[in-house]
Amino acid sequence: DGGITQSPKYLFRKEGQNVTLSCEQNLNHDAMYWYRQDPGQGLRLIYYSQIVNDFQKGDIAEGYSVSREKKESFPLTVTSAQKNPTAFYLCASTTGDGNYGYTFGSGTRLTVV
Amino acid sequence: AQSVTQPDIHITVSEGASLELRCNYSYGATPYLFWYVQSPGQGLQLLLKYFSGDTLVQGIKGFEAEFKRSQSSFNLRKPSVHWSDAAEYFCAVEKGSNYQLIWGAGTKLIIKP
Repeated sequence: DGGITQSPKYLFRKEGQNVTLSCEQNLNHDAMYWYRQDPGQGLRLIYYSQIVNDFQKGDIAEGYSVSREKKESFPLTVTSAQKNPTAFYLCASTTGDGNYGYTFGSGTRLTVV
Repeated sequence: AQSVTQPDIHITVSEGASLELRCNYSYGATPYLFWYVQSPGQGLQLLLKYFSGDTLVQGIKGFEAEFKRSQSSFNLRKPSVHWSDAAEYFCAVEKGSNYQLIWGAGTKLIIKP
């Protein structure tokens, strides 16, 4: 079955470390998104990409970086510049053909230790 | 600017009772509207969407929503809730470009036995 796979499910980061969250989709979707979710704050957009080798900053991009070298993959790096990275991270994709339904991965919970 | 408001942070409903979750939006044109559901520690799943046409839309899991332009609302309803409906529900509106969605803060549904 097609879908989005996020890994790992749980991730622990030490102070000053960079960590990379994986997001892979086999839906042949063009657009991919990274969201951060904190309790009571809904979803906040970090980065998005509509085509390979192109991506745009969302509302809270500081301290994060992404790449889109393949259509299927959109990894997110949480850098040491992100001062409060503990959160639940969600990856999503959509076809961009007017269907507009997002498909979400099951998320990665990142904790700073 | 577009915005989405979900006035209720929490709602408690008895099992078997009816449910209505409120969503109000601010958008200049005809909006594309969505409801998603999130179980604890999971990604989001699309319940239903409205693009145009019939203002009452049916979704999965027995949910429906009604678009009311005059009230700028897109409320989610279910005639009889089940304990498995306990989750967080998010309303979203399409931003008008890049297939981006603007999200409400979510409503957590609690089911009383």
